[in-house]
Amino acid sequence: EAQLVESGGGLVQPEGSLRLSCAASGFTFSYYEMNWVRQAPGKGLEWVSYISGDGGTIYYADSVKGRFTISRDNARNSLNLQMNGLRDEDTALYYCVRGGRTRLDFWGQGTLVTVSS
Amino acid sequence: DIQLTQSPSFLSASVGDRVTITCRASQGISSSLAWYQQKPGKAPKLLIYGASTLETGVPSRFSGSGSGAEFTLTISSLQPEDLATYYCQQVNSYPRTFGQGTKVEIK
Repeated sequence: EAQLVESGGGLVQPEGSLRLSCAASGFTFSYYEMNWVRQAPGKGLEWVSYISGDGGTIYYADSVKGRFTISRDNARNSLNLQMNGLRDEDTALYYCVRGGRTRLDFWGQGTLVTVSS
Repeated sequence: DIQLTQSPSFLSASVGDRVTITCRASQGISSSLAWYQQKPGKAPKLLIYGASTLETGVPSRFSGSGSGAEFTLTISSLQPEDLATYYCQQVNSYPRTFGQGTKVEIK
């Protein structure tokens, strides 16, 4: 059974950094495109970033471009999101999500990032 | 960027009612649209992709239709467990975008 488990969230001050990780299991990780999607408290869904199965194609939302870096380690079945220059508006639940070309078909439970002084 | 506008933002309906949610794109996206259900306190779940293809395991009372710039999600007979917020998402181009969500309440 597929499983995605996010970690690395927490409280960070504005302009600080945080690295999120997502451990994948139950499927052939390298075959799948992966994404990060976030949801601010009480708000809707916002797509953040995408990475292809081999890591060769990457996209970002304009709101995080230049501050966030997505990466993956297929040998370790892990997806990462390095977040620098964090802002109040980055406060959200961050979901690790499988899929890309036609749909996002499997979601983790999320890790909460709170940016506050 | 492609903008998606859902309507209504909130609806209240009775068990057994037929419910329709609309998603309009700011430009044509062919059939590149997915629908998700998010129950309170839970992660979103894929319902429909390709505008009308039901994800495996999703009850047949859910259906999707449309192409181009206008899409609908229909629940043919609303059930108590359908209490949730529903989101559309375009998968035509990056950046991917979501609609703002439609919250469905059971009367």
